[in-house]
Amino acid sequence: RKEVEQDPGPFNVPEGATVAFNCTYSNSASQSFFWYRQDCRKEPKLLMSVYSSGNEDGRFTAQLNRASQYISLLIRDSKLSDSATYLCVVILLDSGGSYIPTFGRGTSLIVHP
Amino acid sequence: EAQVTQNPRYLITVTGKKLTVTCSQNMNHEYMSWYRQDPGLGLRQIYYSMNVEVTDKGDVPEGYKVSRKEKRNFPLILESPSPNQTSLYFCASRGLAGSYEQFFGPGTRLTVL
Repeated sequence: RKEVEQDPGPFNVPEGATVAFNCTYSNSASQSFFWYRQDCRKEPKLLMSVYSSGNEDGRFTAQLNRASQYISLLIRDSKLSDSATYLCVVILLDSGGSYIPTFGRGTSLIVHP
Repeated sequence: EAQVTQNPRYLITVTGKKLTVTCSQNMNHEYMSWYRQDPGLGLRQIYYSMNVEVTDKGDVPEGYKVSRKEKRNFPLILESPSPNQTSLYFCASRGLAGSYEQFFGPGTRLTVL
């Protein structure tokens, strides 16, 4: 079983729609969580961190559910420019204090006019 | 401008011809890492380095070498490239304090014939 799983999509939505992605992780000791955005053939860039209490940044809302071991990303009022692949990243600190990032395979979002 | 740079950005080579992909960051980050990204497999970590002269294997280290002689540089070496190393490669860095955000280089698209 892959440690971090995402629905690859694509999610095909019209402008203005609300869309949500989930990402599940298998290691309950995971400590930090992020969403990255990656445009086609470009480098991933941090979209937002995911905090235990949930957090919002403009049209984007991220939430963490530790009990069910998943994080979510909600995008409201989708724009054409939101079309990209969204990567979930889960950080584990091992017993030696090493930082172990695991990336999901990404969810593709296509926003159409 | 704070950034991670990689060179070359594109490379086509032949099996067995040694090559080096350079990575440099100007943010004084301790941690640096190399990933490869393949369709359907997402980002997989090759090697990482917590600081100068400290390197560790990631998930897919076979066929690769790295070195960390200076804090800013973290070259990826393919001693004898093979076609299964055709991929998109990303270098990333982050500081050891505070956020776990990684900053990625622009990527190197490698084709091994």
